Amino acid sequence: GAVVSQHPSRVICKSGTSVKIECRSLDFQATTMFWYRQFPKQSLMLMATSNEGSKATYEQGVEKDKFLINHASLTLSTLTVTSAHPEDSSFYICSASHRDSGNTIYFGEGSWLTVV
Amino acid sequence: QKEVEQNSGPLSVPEGAIASLNCTYSDRGSQSFFWYRQYSGKSPELIMSIYSNGDKEDGRFTAQLNKASQYVSLLIRDSQPSDSATYLCAVISNFGNEKLTFGTGTRLTIIP
Repeated sequence: GAVVSQHPSRVICKSGTSVKIECRSLDFQATTMFWYRQFPKQSLMLMATSNEGSKATYEQGVEKDKFLINHASLTLSTLTVTSAHPEDSSFYICSASHRDSGNTIYFGEGSWLTVV
Repeated sequence: QKEVEQNSGPLSVPEGAIASLNCTYSDRGSQSFFWYRQYSGKSPELIMSIYSNGDKEDGRFTAQLNKASQYVSLLIRDSQPSDSATYLCAVISNFGNEKLTFGTGTRLTIIP
């Protein structure tokens, strides 16, 4: 299957700082990427849809100024958590849509963010 | 009513038996259906995709789709302890809309 790489896999940051998570599609071009957040023992919650070259579409209740998403190329999207707080600690997962595989969605490995 | 519903479990199945996981969805216009497996602390992994009514088999896994009943299931034959995970049902509602809607997942435990 297609490969989506996410980096870093784990990050610890101090409260008030910002942290950037990268999502790359390694062997296909992804015009659309998605960012999810998952709290322990809960399902994935879609945060935003990222389209290459345009502004991200955020889900209701997700602060666009806090979770900055950039999709500058067909293989890279980034999520920046700004002014992080302990309640932002979560598992962040990106995914990419592979059009040549019937729009199958492939997930990155996820990034554990801990804000201390 | 939730868009995608699954029994949260836990579902316990003896090793070697068939595990049956079920999912219903509310949007009758849904076109694409997926089953993902998620181990604790890991990202979801695609198991099966299905787009048309009927059965689709891949190794020990069989996905079944019934659009009239708005129902999709996953059967795991010859269950192994390594199949113990949370299984997520996901649906894409419309062509051109690639947004996945997930169920809450069913936690499956295979008992040796």
